[in-house]
Amino acid sequence: ILNVEQSPQSLHVQEGDSTNFTCSFPSSNFYALHWYRWETAKSPEALFVMTLNGDEKKKGRISATLNTKEGYSYLYIKGSQPEDSATYLCAPFNTDKLIFGTGTRLQVFP
Amino acid sequence: DAGVTQSPTHLIKTRGQQVTLRCSPKSGHDTVSWYQQALGQGPQFIFQYYEEEERQRGNFPDRFSGHQFPNYSSELNVNALLLGDSALYLCASSLAIQAGYGYTFGSGTRLTVV
Repeated sequence: ILNVEQSPQSLHVQEGDSTNFTCSFPSSNFYALHWYRWETAKSPEALFVMTLNGDEKKKGRISATLNTKEGYSYLYIKGSQPEDSATYLCAPFNTDKLIFGTGTRLQVFP
Repeated sequence: DAGVTQSPTHLIKTRGQQVTLRCSPKSGHDTVSWYQQALGQGPQFIFQYYEEEERQRGNFPDRFSGHQFPNYSSELNVNALLLGDSALYLCASSLAIQAGYGYTFGSGTRLTVV
């Protein structure tokens, strides 16, 4: 059974703060790592798909890094805004399916 | 271009009943995966359909079954509902030749079993 862990479980920050979350996964049989942003009552929105060790991807104020050898990925948000409030899910793609972590719930206060 | 559409959005059923949830994939996608998200957990993989066949299955009992139609849409059926089946059910579509990339999710069906 593939165990995907995300930390912290929840995070409350002030507007303007920068923050980061961690996703840990078994490094064997790795193919790709997905990050999703999920706002309440909406569908999960794809942020990044990363495949190579050392991959770094950026989308506006959000960026992510990948270490496939040690099995972790970091998601960074620079200068958090209230609209960044959401649950951030990571999911390694393994044996033809996505395996999700429990997510990090971010709340950004104005 | 419509993304993934799921229906209904909410559903209340009584224990022991049967339920059918529906999913229309994103245009151009041929693979549909179903996930269950129970309270406090991440989405758990139920099964995946491609070419109208179940291609793989997660750790869910046989009460959970599905179907994929020639137009790639899919149904998830749950028989003999238990209180523990109360959850958000997500459908995701993708393209088989791009396995590992390009998943598009619907906004889910919230099932409550009473």
